[in-house]
Amino acid sequence: AAGVIQSPRHLIKEKRETATLKCYPIPRHDTVYWYQQGPGQDPQFLISFYEKMQSDKGSIPDRFSAQQFSDYHSELNMSSLELGDSALYFCASSRGFNYGYTFGSGTRLTVV
Amino acid sequence: TQLLEQSPQFLSIQEGENLTVYCNSSSVFSSLQWYRQEPGEGPVLLVTVVTGGEVKKLKRLTFQFGDARKDSSLHITAAQPGDTGLYLCAGFDNYGQNFVFGPGTRLSVLP
Repeated sequence: AAGVIQSPRHLIKEKRETATLKCYPIPRHDTVYWYQQGPGQDPQFLISFYEKMQSDKGSIPDRFSAQQFSDYHSELNMSSLELGDSALYFCASSRGFNYGYTFGSGTRLTVV
Repeated sequence: TQLLEQSPQFLSIQEGENLTVYCNSSSVFSSLQWYRQEPGEGPVLLVTVVTGGEVKKLKRLTFQFGDARKDSSLHITAAQPGDTGLYLCAGFDNYGQNFVFGPGTRLSVLP
C-alpha cells in the first residue's frame, strides 16, 4: 500500500540557510499535517492543510511557511535556519476525523 | 502542562512478561489513538478507540478506552523484543480542534 513519502530523508544545512522539505500524502487523503520532533520529545504540531487550504496552525515559527499544491503534495519552507531547528520533521496525512494519521518516515534536518 | 500524560515514562522488561502503559487526561477526548514509533521513523498508527469503555485487541496488544473518555491503556501480553519502541497516545480533544500527543512511554524488551 502507498505510504506518505517525504524527501529528503536527511538534510544538513548551515545557519541562516534555507531548507525545503517535501511531503507526498497518501492518495485520497484530504488532510496533511507537519510535525517537528526534537530529540527525546513528542511530535509538536506545526501546521495543517485541508483540501489545499491551511486549516490549522500550531507552534510554527514565522521563519517557516508551508503550502499544499494542486497535486496535494506539501512543502515546508524554512528560512534563516537556526541550530535549534535541528529535528525530525514529519508529515502525516489523514482521510478523516477518527482515522488517525499515517506518518511519513520523516526528514532529519541538521543545522550546523 | 501536557494535555495527555503517559506512564510510565520508561519501561524495561524481559521477553515474555506482560505490561500495561497508561494514557491519562483531565479532558474528555472524542477519540484516542495509539502509535508506536521506532528511532528515526514516523509514528505508526496501532489503533483508534472512539467509544467510552471500548476494548480493542490487536494480536498480543489490548487497548481500552475509559468510560469517561479521559484515559486509555495499552496492555501487551508476552512481550517480545520486536515490541521495543516509543508508544505514543494521541487524540483530538472534545472540541475536535486540537490533535495532541502524549510524551510517550519508551519500552525496551530484553531477550
